Amino acid sequence: NAGVTQTPKFQVLKTGQSMTLQCAQDMNHEYMSWYRQDPGMGLRLIHYSVGAGITDQGEVPNGYNVSRSTTEDFPLRLLSAAPSQTSVYFCASSSGTPGYTFGSGTRLTVV
Amino acid sequence: AQSVTQLGSHVSVSEGALVLLRCNYSSSVPPYLFWYVQYPNQGLQLLLKYTSAATLVKGINGFEAEFKKSETSFHLTKPSAHMSDAAEYFCAVSVYGGTSYGKLTFGQGTILTVHP
Repeated sequence: NAGVTQTPKFQVLKTGQSMTLQCAQDMNHEYMSWYRQDPGMGLRLIHYSVGAGITDQGEVPNGYNVSRSTTEDFPLRLLSAAPSQTSVYFCASSSGTPGYTFGSGTRLTVV
Repeated sequence: AQSVTQLGSHVSVSEGALVLLRCNYSSSVPPYLFWYVQYPNQGLQLLLKYTSAATLVKGINGFEAEFKKSETSFHLTKPSAHMSDAAEYFCAVSVYGGTSYGKLTFGQGTILTVHP
């Protein structure tokens, strides 16, 4: 049982490049979320999903896109990377009972 | 909408001393409350959660927290700090009703330093 798996663990992008951060869970959880963590700001919700085919915006959605075609996968797309998107990104999943399981994170640097 | 405020971005204690990390929340519906711990360069690990059962919640590593509705607080405590407790701690709230269903809202985090 792997839990929540995020890839890659580290990534450096040039401004304007696009990329996809992968997130997969093997717990058959309905709820999945993406957060970004910046120093002194805690974790802020980017997008979340309550099931396959259903997504919604969080607190900081601009510059990011998501889709949920399967229960297991919830990729996060950066459309045109900017230095302000330098951050640590966490994916999380939940069965709907209170509490989320987090992945180990992706550290992204945009230069 | 819900929100969380953690009082004190840095807390420093001596080994063996009481740990007290403060968290206040705001929610228009009954909340679920969580404390997560993050060790350097790692993900978040759930310490404990309040889900409307007992107001005093015991978690892992000797931590506990008490839900006080009248004070809208959920402070985290540990009677005796250990060097291995040095980490960043996050308080979070979620609700399971309305448009915020299942979303976690985090506080800004508190970095705990433990001195020998």
